[in-house]
Amino acid sequence: RKEVEQDPGPFNVPEGATVAFNCTYSNSASQSFFWYRQDCRKEPKLLMSVYSSGNEDGRFTAQLNRASQYISLLIRDSKLSDSATYLCVVIPNSGYSTLTFGKGTMLLVSP
Amino acid sequence: EAGVAQSPRYKIIEKRQSVAFWCNPISGHATLYWYQQILGQGPKLLIQFQNNGVVDDSQLPKDRFSAERLKGVDSTLKIQPAKLEDSAVYLCASSTSGGMTETQYFGPGTRLLVL
Repeated sequence: RKEVEQDPGPFNVPEGATVAFNCTYSNSASQSFFWYRQDCRKEPKLLMSVYSSGNEDGRFTAQLNRASQYISLLIRDSKLSDSATYLCVVIPNSGYSTLTFGKGTMLLVSP
Repeated sequence: EAGVAQSPRYKIIEKRQSVAFWCNPISGHATLYWYQQILGQGPKLLIQFQNNGVVDDSQLPKDRFSAERLKGVDSTLKIQPAKLEDSAVYLCASSTSGGMTETQYFGPGTRLLVL
């Protein structure tokens, strides 16, 4: 089983739609969780951290379910500019800050 | 504030040749990372430095890859000799002190094509 697994998509949605991505991780001792965004041919950028209590940043909501070992990202009211690849990221080991990335989920928002 | 700088941005070489990449992290950042991103995959850590010491190089193919960060600032990553499967984007990232909740800032990457 891969350390971090995501559905690669693409997810094709119209503007204004709500879309959700899930990600599962294999190491139950994982410490920290993030969603990164990567535009085509650009570098990854931190979108948001994911906390056990769940967290929201504008149209974006991230949740963590430790018991089931999955992380989710919800995007409401999708914009054209949300088109990108969303990378689920886990730090599996305590003591190291090594990011372990999933393959990413591609989102395409159309007019 | 200037971001992470990398050069060159693109490199095309033939297999068995050598290549080197350079990274200048954000000023004051003690921790520097090199990642390899193969097309269609997420980035994979190759090596992590804390100042000029290696913290984690468990996924670095040491028979052909080497990296150094001599003065705790700039870093170079070298491949010698290159193989076809080394074609990828090499991303450098930095963070303040390597804490697990810190944001890692990525540079634009070097796109390597090995023919």
